[in-house]
Amino acid sequence: AQKVTQAQTEISVVEKEDVTLDCVYETRDTTYYLFWYKQPPSGELVFLIRRNSFDEQNEISGRYSWNFQKSTSSFNFTITASQVVDSAVYFCALSEVGANNLFFGTGTRLTVIP
Amino acid sequence: DADVTQTPRNRITKTGKRIMLECSQTKGHDRMYWYRQDPGLGLRLIYYSFDVKDINKGEISDGYSVSRQAQAKFSLSLESAIPNQTALYFCATARGLSTDTQYFGPGTRLTVL
Repeated sequence: AQKVTQAQTEISVVEKEDVTLDCVYETRDTTYYLFWYKQPPSGELVFLIRRNSFDEQNEISGRYSWNFQKSTSSFNFTITASQVVDSAVYFCALSEVGANNLFFGTGTRLTVIP
Repeated sequence: DADVTQTPRNRITKTGKRIMLECSQTKGHDRMYWYRQDPGLGLRLIYYSFDVKDINKGEISDGYSVSRQAQAKFSLSLESAIPNQTALYFCATARGLSTDTQYFGPGTRLTVL
């Protein structure tokens, strides 16, 4: 079974619009970590955030914010006032204690139209 | 300079050829990983290493081998490349725990004809 599901394959928004990227995860562990990575057109993977399962506070970093809800097993990512430079593929990932790799979702391709 | 580097960045090779992808890091991390990325499939783990003496297979290790030459270097080899190994390959590093953040290199785009 897929441990991380990103149901939105592609999203297009017009510049300055807000956009939310969904991430739903599945785990039986009580301690786990969630991540978001950005892959711009140049191809590299850029780390954005790491959140542990005991910290359900929402986090804001500039135009980026993350909403973690254990009740729905979701860790959604919102970009406020989107910009063309936000165009990228965004990956959500899960790490379980004792597991040895990150379980990646299949990614959401965001296109911001000027 | 980048903390995690990969060479080559792009490579085109033919079926049956042996090819090595190299990864170096200056982050001082113990753990190193090799992933491949295919369109629509996300990233999948090929091999990982906790230190020079500890190497482990990941989800899709068939057709690949690795070598951890030093704490800072981790190489991936395709002994006899085949077309379905065409993909984007990433090296990643992390500190000592399985849940520590993994930092990725820039990737190697490999095409097997």
